[in-house]
Amino acid sequence: SQQGEEDPQALSIQEGENATMNCSYKTSINNLQWYRQNSGRGLVHLILIRSNEREKHSGRLRVTLDTSKKSSSLLITASRAADTASYFCATGSSYKLIFGSGTRLLVRP
Amino acid sequence: DAGVTQSPTHLIKTRGQHVTLRCSPISGHKSVSWYQQVLGQGPQFIFQYYEKEERGRGNFPDRFSARQFPNYSSELNVNALLLGDSALYLCASSLSSVYNEQFFGPGTRLTVL
Repeated sequence: SQQGEEDPQALSIQEGENATMNCSYKTSINNLQWYRQNSGRGLVHLILIRSNEREKHSGRLRVTLDTSKKSSSLLITASRAADTASYFCATGSSYKLIFGSGTRLLVRP
Repeated sequence: DAGVTQSPTHLIKTRGQHVTLRCSPISGHKSVSWYQQVLGQGPQFIFQYYEKEERGRGNFPDRFSARQFPNYSSELNVNALLLGDSALYLCASSLSSVYNEQFFGPGTRLTVL
């Protein structure tokens, strides 16, 4: 079963615009991670935010976490065509990650 | 340093057959996890192995099995293949068994006809 659910399922934006994806989860977490997947291949780790953190930045990425609402958001600023991919949030127990269903982002040149 | 490697890249099997997928973790990583990703969905956890012992198992039938070798590489075996086993199988490695950042391989695309 999926722990997280991303919203929206698909997003199409123009290059240079910002993209925001949201993730909701069901149970308590130690941390939450975001991954990117290009063309149905391997996943690439983007950022990890711990349960005691509210916001984290990495380059053009900004992640927020609201544990009271069991939700997180990923913001990609100044998007590029190369950002076109599927984005997944993941939470988990001590030995596994539980992924959401993902947001498919299309950045139009 | 090489990342996580998986073989083969693609595989076509027929129903009822058996398949073995292989994974080599990043050097120094002792944990290997396997995930199944059906088209249009997020990865689903199958197994985690750490120091050659199974540490966790997802909700998959006994047709799925795995093992980890002394060099920390791993195999995923699936018996009596069903059409529904068609998916991308992902291997991930990490430094420890505790939930943290995982490094994924490119995956093996399995098609069952």
